[in-house]
Amino acid sequence: DIVMTQTPLSLSVTPGQPASISCKSSQSLLHSDGKTYLYWYLQKPGQSPQVLIYEVSSRFFGVPDRFSGSGSGTDFTLQISRVEAEDVGIYYCMQGLYHRTFGQGTRVEIK
Amino acid sequence: EVRLVESGGGLVQPGESLRLSCEASGFIFSSYWMNWVRQAPGERPEWVANINEDASEKYFLDSVKGRFTISRDNAKNSLYLQMNSLRADDTAVYYCARDRGFGFFDPWGRGTLVTVSS
Repeated sequence: DIVMTQTPLSLSVTPGQPASISCKSSQSLLHSDGKTYLYWYLQKPGQSPQVLIYEVSSRFFGVPDRFSGSGSGTDFTLQISRVEAEDVGIYYCMQGLYHRTFGQGTRVEIK
Repeated sequence: EVRLVESGGGLVQPGESLRLSCEASGFIFSSYWMNWVRQAPGERPEWVANINEDASEKYFLDSVKGRFTISRDNAKNSLYLQMNSLRADDTAVYYCARDRGFGFFDPWGRGTLVTVSS
């Protein structure tokens, strides 16, 4: 199975400041079709997860441009350029190359 | 509006069975892979199973193989998860999720809670 490892596990951020979350996979997520199946999901308190970023760096419809994804192979990053109060929740990376596995999650709170 | 609504959760004893349902609306259900994903309290989500458009392909998490089956009825826009020989570690909120491809889960339902306890 592909293991996904996120760091840090928690972040406390002042509104307007940036935040960054790292995600590493135990093997490359590059598919033979040339795409890399790495996703970022946000689970807001009391809600189901929702997709933010698909295929490493594409923002899903309606996701603010303060969210950006980057990386390749086994190393990926989610960046929030200026954290807002509505960004509170748990962020999960997930691989879609073989079955589906999620990282442990990074809890983001506002200072 | 694209919508997924799960039902069928509840409290059962170890070894018992439960059947979950997910009713889809707002999209052409028969055109998508569908998934079940669970989340134990305080834990990360865990993918459980998926099924392709015509039910000819099905895949399972290793720990549920042989105990869980996934099925769908495209005429009823419904997805199912039959869970047998339930164990305490199957306790979780079970979500259904539409798959736009290779794990692009959108949307997710609100989930249904399954509790396995004596």
